[in-house]
Amino acid sequence: DAKTTQPNSMESNEEEPVHLPCNHSTISGTDYIHWYRQLPSQGPEYVIHGLTSNVNNRMASLAIAEDRKSSTLILHRATLRDAAVYYCILRDWGNDMRFGAGTRLTVKP
Amino acid sequence: SAVISQKPSRDICQRGTSLTIQCQVDSQVTMMFWYRQQPGQSLTLIATANQGSEATYESGFVIDKFPISRPNLTFSTLTVSNMSPEDSSIYLCSVEVYNNLRDRGPDNEQFFGPGTRLTVL
Repeated sequence: DAKTTQPNSMESNEEEPVHLPCNHSTISGTDYIHWYRQLPSQGPEYVIHGLTSNVNNRMASLAIAEDRKSSTLILHRATLRDAAVYYCILRDWGNDMRFGAGTRLTVKP
Repeated sequence: SAVISQKPSRDICQRGTSLTIQCQVDSQVTMMFWYRQQPGQSLTLIATANQGSEATYESGFVIDKFPISRPNLTFSTLTVSNMSPEDSSIYLCSVEVYNNLRDRGPDNEQFFGPGTRLTVL
């Protein structure tokens, strides 16, 4: 499985945008980029995923570099409820979902 | 989507005993997964469980320690056998929901249960 690298932690102010980076320099052409988050005392939940093009949904946006060696999860207006560990995961055909260490996001009021 | 419940939500057990964790899904799913999350750590995949076949275990996990049952398309159990304090973790059940009624794919979404917090004394 291709490896991802994320900062251990990040801080944001409430109601400001947050950009969570993920490096995946060994990504293959068929790896999908998934983002999940784990709120305190809960199981992980799906945030967004993409292959090559940028993606938007009601929760977030995913910006994928042209060479696909990095991506950024964008929370447009962070709320206190967005405080969680965010996981960037690569998944290819036939592979299962495997989690790295993730980024712990702290949102300050 | 899928809604997953787990029982028990937490338990405190004595070393040497076994605990069976139940996972119930509100819809039929082919693939179910069991993860472990040790204190302060990320999730580690224990095994995948297909209905009607033996579970497939990841490196470092064996059937004798973590037997899994998958009797139908909405239910699975994970047993933590002969427990030691090192087994104290959160155990999470997960399912993969297929997109567009096709088979497994890397763009499918996974849903997770709330976890079972196990403490072994």
